[in-house]
Amino acid sequence: KAGVTQTPRYLIKTRGQQVTLSCSPISGHRSVSWYQQTPGQGLQFLFEYFSETQRNKGNFPGRFSGRQFSNSRSEMNVSTLELGDSALYLCASSWGPETNTGELFFGEGSRLTVL
Amino acid sequence: GNSVTQMEGPVTLSEEAFLTINCTYTATGYPSLFWYVQYPGEGLQLLLKATKADDKGSNKGFEATYRKETTSFHLEKGSVQVSDSAVYFCALRVYGQNFVFGPGTRLSVLP
Repeated sequence: KAGVTQTPRYLIKTRGQQVTLSCSPISGHRSVSWYQQTPGQGLQFLFEYFSETQRNKGNFPGRFSGRQFSNSRSEMNVSTLELGDSALYLCASSWGPETNTGELFFGEGSRLTVL
Repeated sequence: GNSVTQMEGPVTLSEEAFLTINCTYTATGYPSLFWYVQYPGEGLQLLLKATKADDKGSNKGFEATYRKETTSFHLEKGSVQVSDSAVYFCALRVYGQNFVFGPGTRLSVLP
């Protein structure tokens, strides 16, 4: 079955712009999580959505937001981009938070460069 | 809170050498433990997992044993290959909470 699909794979923006990233989870998965990966900070948790509700949120400013649709697809948005937002943004899906042993399935990521 | 500590590397080995990447954790509650691998230009893939104490996860020649008494989940492989060059992440998940990842360990295997 199809894996987690993230679009776009690569994008370049300038400071002050905004960006929207999309994630389609594996069919049947209802939980979607977002992570920011940078060389200096490693993998940092952004937020998790389950059944269109944000369940957990990491320690990021309000410029970072997300949502989940009824078909479990998710988007994240970053407004007023800063140079430090340059990163690989990873989306991961799973069956749901009630499955303690359920692993995350990751997409290949969206690589954002802010100039 | 929950946290994962692992050796950050980079670790450089010759082909066929023995690999150990240490991972220790702290958790409020009873976690499941995971190792993920990230090859260049790709997302993370699950390598192996263990859900209770003394469980051994294994895959592609890699092994890790869930040690509750030492709160550890060290990754081992008896004979590494050049194709094992990647970044390895130790992670945990407590019921109802989000995953927590370690900082990752970069492994380079030289021919």
